[in-house]
Amino acid sequence: DVKVTQSSRYLVKRTGEKVFLECVQDMDHENMFWYRQDPGLGLRLIYFSYDVKMKEKGDIPEGYSVSREKKERFSLILESASTNQTSMYLCASSFNRGTYNEQFFGPGTRLTVL
Amino acid sequence: GEDVEQSLFLSVREGDSSVINCTYTDSSSTYLYWYKQEPGAGLQLLTYIFSNMDMKQDQRLTVLLNKKDKHLSLRIADTQTGDSAIYFCAILSGGYQKVTFGIGTKLQVIP
Repeated sequence: DVKVTQSSRYLVKRTGEKVFLECVQDMDHENMFWYRQDPGLGLRLIYFSYDVKMKEKGDIPEGYSVSREKKERFSLILESASTNQTSMYLCASSFNRGTYNEQFFGPGTRLTVL
Repeated sequence: GEDVEQSLFLSVREGDSSVINCTYTDSSSTYLYWYKQEPGAGLQLLTYIFSNMDMKQDQRLTVLLNKKDKHLSLRIADTQTGDSAIYFCAILSGGYQKVTFGIGTKLQVIP
């Protein structure tokens, strides 16, 4: 069974802290994505990666960075967390080939920044 | 950039049909998707349609694509309480498999 796992389901951090969100997939997918989900705004793409050590900015990259040192792992970093980064963070992965390019999602990390 | 729009909320009675609508702006989209998100979970692909198709049927699900009007719809026949979830319309366009999602329609099924 295909699987995308995220390091935490719930996380509480303080303003100014450095925050790491980890995502691991076991499907040998080339592409990995980080989204944030907010009520009334849906899913917004923060960053994505199509290969190891490669990254591309999504629609809302400000305040975030990413790291992809290994194919199966994609990390989202909040260098200095702020209250407006309180959100649900979803990781996803997909093949870079094939037909309909389904994205497989992790269960999400609900981050609260106090 | 691409824009995908859908209504926020839909309420139906159990056993009725549900129709969730979506409009998009990118005419070069290749695949169009419907994802389902159940409470406390990530998204899961429900169904998809290729842009050269007008309709796709999969058991209780019917997807209709009107390319001229850039309109996509999802019909769920005989809606059950287990269908209560948020449904996201999404389109694939551009390079690197980038998908643009709508805001999600919350479907409430009344017993």
